[in-house]
Amino acid sequence: GAVVSQHPSRVICKSGTSVKIECRSLDFQATTMFWYRQFPKQSLMLMATSNEGSKATYEQGVEKDKFLINHASLTLSTLTVTSAHPEDSSFYICSADPTSGGGSTDTQYFGPGTRLTVL
Amino acid sequence: DAKTTQPPSMDCAEGRAANLPCNHSTISGNEYVYWYRQIHSQGPQYIIHGLKNNETNEMASLIITEDRKSSTLILPHATLRDTAVYYCIVRGSNSGYALNFGKGTSLLVTP
Repeated sequence: GAVVSQHPSRVICKSGTSVKIECRSLDFQATTMFWYRQFPKQSLMLMATSNEGSKATYEQGVEKDKFLINHASLTLSTLTVTSAHPEDSSFYICSADPTSGGGSTDTQYFGPGTRLTVL
Repeated sequence: DAKTTQPPSMDCAEGRAANLPCNHSTISGNEYVYWYRQIHSQGPQYIIHGLKNNETNEMASLIITEDRKSSTLILPHATLRDTAVYYCIVRGSNSGYALNFGKGTSLLVTP
């Protein structure tokens, strides 16, 4: 139980285009999901907290107009990287805390990640 | 959340126990110790967590000192597939709070 999926797993796009990444909790519901970014040889850095039915909370230094987050249901959050540039190339990972369904409610589960490459 | 300190890297021979230490001297009374690992180019995988008692599951054991200022993750019989970066994270148990990842310990299991 407690599986989180991400789609796509890998995306290559041209500079200036927008890319949408989906994060789904498959067997549990999550009021809150999180988006992280990881650059090569570095640790995960929290970008934003995604709250179902309300606006996301962004970490300092993360542009909310560039990284659009929508958490329209208890099982789906999306991250859209708008007008992507090469410096946005990174590994994007989502996670979720179960509020009902499978998994433990005091444990956070992670998706497999999305590798974004902007040319 | 309390800060954690881990050695940057460790080696372990296949089949032997891997003991990964973590210091969290500023942990507060309601904070749990979580362990995750990240295999290259994958999302972090939950391993185990505990408050003050030692814990064991199918993956590992977690030993927390009585003063809760440090802990050790034990992989009893390490395999090559256990090669990963292991993160020790302190967090309250309530959902809705993100995990703050430090640099972790890069464990290399050798044949």
